[in-house]
Amino acid sequence: GQNIDQPTEMTATEGAIVQINCTYQTSGFNGLFWYQQHAGEAPTFLSYNVLDGLEEKGRFSSFLSRSKGYSYLLLKELQMKDSASYLCALTSNDYKLSFGAGTTVTVRA
Amino acid sequence: DADVTQTPRNRITKTGKRIMLECSQTKGHDRMYWYRQDPGLGLRLIYYSFDVKDINKGEISDGYSVSRQAQAKFSLSLESAIPNQTALYFCATATLTGDPSSTQYFGPGTRLTVL
Repeated sequence: GQNIDQPTEMTATEGAIVQINCTYQTSGFNGLFWYQQHAGEAPTFLSYNVLDGLEEKGRFSSFLSRSKGYSYLLLKELQMKDSASYLCALTSNDYKLSFGAGTTVTVRA
Repeated sequence: DADVTQTPRNRITKTGKRIMLECSQTKGHDRMYWYRQDPGLGLRLIYYSFDVKDINKGEISDGYSVSRQAQAKFSLSLESAIPNQTALYFCATATLTGDPSSTQYFGPGTRLTVL
């Protein structure tokens, strides 16, 4: 089975940096996704990590440590439009995704 | 036009009614999935399919059934809707390659309310 933990809510100020942590316990781990979901909308792909280390895409970066069962998503230079839920999801060899409950980030002016 | 579409987008129904939610995609993907999302619980997998002749149960399939009418169409049915099936339902698609990590793309969702 899968056990995925991420904080429920985080608040930050426009222009600041926020780090969303995701810890997991699983068997058959293949890789880890981060999705962004605005309220009432579809999740959209942000990043994918399969190897240990940091993946950077513009203002967003994602880190993975397979040995520690740990990942984080780093959002830099926060903008109001970054207010959303961020979903951590694991993929295993059976082509399925298992999602955490999501972290709601509120960006304040 | 959107690559993954869902109909209807919103539906209000009564307990005991049969409901069908439809998903269509133009991405040419083989893998299709149905999820439900409830506040505080995240996305949970209901059913998934890798081709027209392949149907698999997810973690919460009780009370639901599916039909893969074609590569591009995957329908979810609630045979007799009950209030705790009130949720936001998402369809997703992905390519079927040797790599299980290919990204899933989500439709816009169907908000279902069962009274």
